[in-house]
Amino acid sequence: GQNIDQPTEMTATEGAIVQINCTYQTSGFNGLFWYQQHAGEAPTFLSYNVLDGLEEKGRFSSFLSRSKGYSYLLLKELQMKDSASYLCAVLDSNYQLIWGAGTKLIIKP
Amino acid sequence: ETGVTQTPRHLVMGMTNKKSLKCEQHLGHNAMYWYKQSAKKPLELMFVYNFKEQTENNSVPSRFSPECPNSSHLFLHLHTLQPEDSALYLCASSQDRDREWSSPLHFGNGTRLTVT
Repeated sequence: GQNIDQPTEMTATEGAIVQINCTYQTSGFNGLFWYQQHAGEAPTFLSYNVLDGLEEKGRFSSFLSRSKGYSYLLLKELQMKDSASYLCAVLDSNYQLIWGAGTKLIIKP
Repeated sequence: ETGVTQTPRHLVMGMTNKKSLKCEQHLGHNAMYWYKQSAKKPLELMFVYNFKEQTENNSVPSRFSPECPNSSHLFLHLHTLQPEDSALYLCASSQDRDREWSSPLHFGNGTRLTVT
């Protein structure tokens, strides 16, 4: 079967750095997405990786290793507004999105 | 504002009721989706429409019935639901699903459905 694993919950301190990991076992790979979802709101697109390496967008960076079936989302200079759930999703060989259950990130002052 | 609007935001219905969820997108997209989101579970894709044609129905019970009158509007008709159908129902849109598969999804804020 196809599977996406990410931690259920993480806690970090305002101003610090946090890394949210995502490992996947899917039938084929056509890219990996990260979405952010604040409580009671819509998931919003953060990043898309299809090639190995690190992509940086301001305070957020996303890394991909296809050989390891692994990605992470790196959040720097954490702010209280970063408290949210972070969803990892992989596009498989049939271009179907396989979703993880999400990681709830709690930021403490 | 995400460009995708869902109504109502909250809905409580009995198991014998009939109700409909509405979704409208203002992004000029050609694909629209219904997802079910339950606590601590991955998003479950229910239905996909591309250019108003239903392209996917992921083994969804017949008590859920989608309708897509045009590329901007999507409905989910509900009848004789079960308590386990209580969840957040998310609508999303994207560019042409068959050609722009790397195009991100744009979600609405969802309808929180409670079946009593």
